[in-house]
Amino acid sequence: ETGVTQSPTHLIKTRGQQVTLRCSSQSGHNTVSWYQQALGQGPQFIFQYYREEENGRGNFPPRFSGLQFPNYSSELNVNALELDDSALYLCASSLSGRQETEAFFGQGTRLTVV
Amino acid sequence: GENVEQHPSTLSVQEGDSAVIKCTYSDSASNYFPWYKQELGKGPQLIIDIRSNVGEKKDQRIAVTLNKTAKHFSLHITETQPEDSAVYFCAASKVNFGNEKLTFGTGTRLTIIP
Repeated sequence: ETGVTQSPTHLIKTRGQQVTLRCSSQSGHNTVSWYQQALGQGPQFIFQYYREEENGRGNFPPRFSGLQFPNYSSELNVNALELDDSALYLCASSLSGRQETEAFFGQGTRLTVV
Repeated sequence: GENVEQHPSTLSVQEGDSAVIKCTYSDSASNYFPWYKQELGKGPQLIIDIRSNVGEKKDQRIAVTLNKTAKHFSLHITETQPEDSAVYFCAASKVNFGNEKLTFGTGTRLTIIP
């Protein structure tokens, strides 16, 4: 088990609503990345946060936004939910600034939009 | 951007036999290639990784090889066991000061037949 925890584990929302997903990074890690994994697909990079600043973004619309806090935990916010947003949302933490840069994933949040 | 292709999509092997999963990448600047194992209902778990200055790496029954010229890398699992059954993902990244936006393959569902 990694030290990355995500909450909630499951969530059901209605189209048009907003959702906030949370991630606590592994102790000693300063970088958090978020991924979206649709059923039967590989994870797709949403964005990364390093020292509370966005540090790279994938091909996702602005209604996907995030935050990183001073303790390096992070939030993913999605506005105006669409049915296609239904997926497993994964958070990965890592340490930047060192040779070793392995990313460790949490168990994910399963979001269902109805 | 980077594109990672992974084959096969499904693989069934007899317990005790070897399994090989292959990936190709498109961006010659990629320098970090991790492999993840994902079990049902869980987040991806890092099982082995390789960097572009190394051609092969082994960890007990698991090995990874990298051919930078051909932009190929492969996962080899020997003496397979039932607990090796899972979905395996390869990924590629350009690591620079820890920046590790991972581009994933589409996954291989490995089934070990007892």
